Amino acid sequence: SAVISQKPSRDICQRGTSLTIQCQVDSQVTMMFWYRQQPGQSLTLIATANQGSEATYESGFVIDKFPISRPNLTFSTLTVSNMSPEDSSIYLCSVSPSGANVLTFGAGSRLTVL
Amino acid sequence: LAKTTQPISMDSYEGQEVNITCSHNNIATNDYITWYQQFPSQGPRFIIQGYKTKVTNEVASLFIPADRKSSTLSLPRVSLSDTAVYYCLVGASSGGYQKVTFGTGTKLQVIP
Repeated sequence: SAVISQKPSRDICQRGTSLTIQCQVDSQVTMMFWYRQQPGQSLTLIATANQGSEATYESGFVIDKFPISRPNLTFSTLTVSNMSPEDSSIYLCSVSPSGANVLTFGAGSRLTVL
Repeated sequence: LAKTTQPISMDSYEGQEVNITCSHNNIATNDYITWYQQFPSQGPRFIIQGYKTKVTNEVASLFIPADRKSSTLSLPRVSLSDTAVYYCLVGASSGGYQKVTFGTGTKLQVIP
């Protein structure tokens, strides 16, 4: 199965700043998914990122707040913009390798906004 | 996307078999049932997937009745390392990937 590396693993940020999270996969994948997991909660899908096209955002998430890049088939970034304490969460990158019907997740990036 | 309902938490003693049931009354014909395990500070990890009847792998068994409106994840002889949150998901493969919605999950606490 695919191996996913996320950076940073954790960070503490100031209110009003932005942070970009990187997701690197060891194989080429068509789709990459970004999830948010708020403290003590389940996972919520933010958006689906396809290489060469605009990301598709889920209800409640907008591109201005969570811009996503997908420059190639092994890499994606998620930016959390103009952060507030409510953005304190774990952000997870996920892929579904071609032909598979399951998701592989990275370890996540834990953001704390002060 | 089909919604799932599962117990919020469960406790079990080491060495016991644990059964976690998930309800998915609105499951669609082409939906699969997938279970994931999540440890603290890690992303969810795939455990098992099935469509109907019974599926078994080296980690768990998955029982799905004929109407597919529920499923049961069975973990044989749990150990302390099985303490985790277990998520039941239903969804269909579309274009080679599975778009799914995570439910609340079941927090399993294994007691010595």
